[in-house]
Amino acid sequence: GDSVTQMEGPVTLSEEAFLTINCTYTATGYPSLFWYVQYPGEGLQLLLKATKADDKGSNKGFEATYRKETTSFHLEKGSVQVSDSAVYFCALTGQGGAQKLVFGQGTRLTINP
Amino acid sequence: GAGVSQSPSNKVTEKGKDVELRCDPISGHTALYWYRQSLGQGLEFLIYFQGNSAPDKSGLPSDRFSAERTGGSVSTLTIQRTQQEDSAVYLCASSPGFVEQFFGPGTRLTVL
Repeated sequence: GDSVTQMEGPVTLSEEAFLTINCTYTATGYPSLFWYVQYPGEGLQLLLKATKADDKGSNKGFEATYRKETTSFHLEKGSVQVSDSAVYFCALTGQGGAQKLVFGQGTRLTINP
Repeated sequence: GAGVSQSPSNKVTEKGKDVELRCDPISGHTALYWYRQSLGQGLEFLIYFQGNSAPDKSGLPSDRFSAERTGGSVSTLTIQRTQQEDSAVYLCASSPGFVEQFFGPGTRLTVL
């Protein structure tokens, strides 16, 4: 079945550092790919998405590019802030059917001032 | 506008008791999903509704779990004879039928 593998955390960085969180997937066909974020005490929020190969999703300074050749969707940000501290989930939905989300295990990110 | 709401926000129950968790989706969203977030299993899909029908129940972990949706709106997830392994955060999401799902704040269930 479909699956998502994320870089294990926790990840701790200093403010203004460059961030990469790796995500790879296994799926049949052409899934849609997502990054969700869960800030402390809050619910899951969609951060960005890409629905076809070579698409780049971007939001709040974060970017991720759908790479079909490497089955990857790595999350990057050039300069992180303390407010980016959260848990990040990579996810996919398969083609057709329920469009249910399959999540990676989550990566906890802490940014120190 | 109003987002997805869930109630209660927290529920503590004794092993063997039944619990009901409620989800109010965003108005007009035809698709509704239940997920479970637990330490051991991460985020798992439970069930999907399109309107009042549930064409995909593949994630329900046992026959103690059931869900219904009425009027194409509110959904209730029922867990009968709760066990300690049912302790988790239960998340509801709704979608207008396109790619994005909007999540509620979740119900934290603790089974003693």
